[in-house]
Amino acid sequence: DTGVSQNPRHKITKRGQNVTFRCDPISEHNRLYWYRQTLGQGPEFLTYFQNEAQLEKSRLLSDRFSAERPKGSFSTLEIQRTEQGDSAMYLCASSLRDGGDYGYTFGSGTRLTVV
Amino acid sequence: AQSVTQLDSQVPVFEEAPVELRCNYSSSVSVYLFWYVQYPNQGLQLLLKYLSGSTLVKGINGFEAEFNKSQTSFHLRKPSVHISDTAEYFCAVSDPLNTDKLIFGTGTRLQVFP
Repeated sequence: DTGVSQNPRHKITKRGQNVTFRCDPISEHNRLYWYRQTLGQGPEFLTYFQNEAQLEKSRLLSDRFSAERPKGSFSTLEIQRTEQGDSAMYLCASSLRDGGDYGYTFGSGTRLTVV
Repeated sequence: AQSVTQLDSQVPVFEEAPVELRCNYSSSVSVYLFWYVQYPNQGLQLLLKYLSGSTLVKGINGFEAEFNKSQTSFHLRKPSVHISDTAEYFCAVSDPLNTDKLIFGTGTRLQVFP
């Protein structure tokens, strides 16, 4: 078990381009979360999945954002028509929902810079 | 709705000194509380959590935190810090009925000087 893996670690893109990030959770974890962290702030919840089902989306997740988790394994987060305000660290986390064992394992994040 | 306030954005201390990082939360219901640490250019690592039971919680790396319901606080402490403790520390709260979503504070930067 190598933990939660996120790729790429860094992404620089021009405004208006589309970007996609990937997250590979811990294999036995059935829940997967996406958070966004801007400079000087704590992470903010974006969305989460239980297996392949997307159970909740934050209002922060505009129509330009879409997340998928096909087959309940890895997940992708796509941002269309990127804007400078999308520059942030995008964090993925996973957990095993096992009555009482609450805690999340975070990946190292993907830092997006929109120029 | 829950919220988390970390009163200090930066805490400078000398090595081997004790430290306390403050966290207050607001919630109308019982909550679960967490402290995470983030080293530069890395994700968050869970230090400790309070779910129920003893109000004094011990975590990794010699950290501990005390849950105080009357003061709605969950302050993080370490009796003697090391240079390697230099990092960003985040307090977080979740709703026990919806533990799938964490609400984080804005973080406290702990800077340990030799």
